[in-house]
Amino acid sequence: LAKTTQPISMDSYEGQEVNITCSHNNIATNDYITWYQQFPSQGPRFIIQGYKTKVTNEVASLFIPADRKSSTLSLPRVSLSDTAVYYCLLYNQGGKLIFGQGTELSVKP
Amino acid sequence: DTGVSQNPRHKITKRGQNVTFRCDPISEHNRLYWYRQTLGQGPEFLTYFQNEAQLEKSRLLSDRFSAERPKGSFSTLEIQRTEQGDSAMYLCASSVGTPETQYFGPGTRLLVL
Repeated sequence: LAKTTQPISMDSYEGQEVNITCSHNNIATNDYITWYQQFPSQGPRFIIQGYKTKVTNEVASLFIPADRKSSTLSLPRVSLSDTAVYYCLLYNQGGKLIFGQGTELSVKP
Repeated sequence: DTGVSQNPRHKITKRGQNVTFRCDPISEHNRLYWYRQTLGQGPEFLTYFQNEAQLEKSRLLSDRFSAERPKGSFSTLEIQRTEQGDSAMYLCASSVGTPETQYFGPGTRLLVL
């Protein structure tokens, strides 16, 4: 079973910032928080990964509070092409990824 | 393109036939994973190799499924006597190093008639 809980769906408009929150109350000391994006009929695409505090790359930011029981993926200024399913996972390095159902993000014009 | 590649991209077969899929990981990635994804669900883990050693197999991997990675490079996933319930997207991912990030291929979509 997935160890994370995230909203099933979210709607947004082009140009807005989108924040997707993921709960992981039972996160283990060795777990990293990892986010993937998936478009229909394609394999998941790695977005960002972090352990604590804040991580930023060219695509997104990941905010992790001190207790690490939740995390927030922030997508700045989304476009129509950001419409996809976003998965939050806890990853203990060197093993399988356990996916939940993800958050289906719909970006409207 | 230096990403993970999978062949074929699509496969239609009749129930009872055998099928084989191939995955070519990113060069020098020593870990290789197979996942299966059905419509509306997240990918589910099937099996995992480190170099040529198969280190973990899911209970989903019945006796009809076999995976190999003979030289620690490409991998094959074979399904014998396919059933309609095997219809799914089969995904391959590879990784290396610490911290580890798994990079996925485009998948092979299987339809069993």
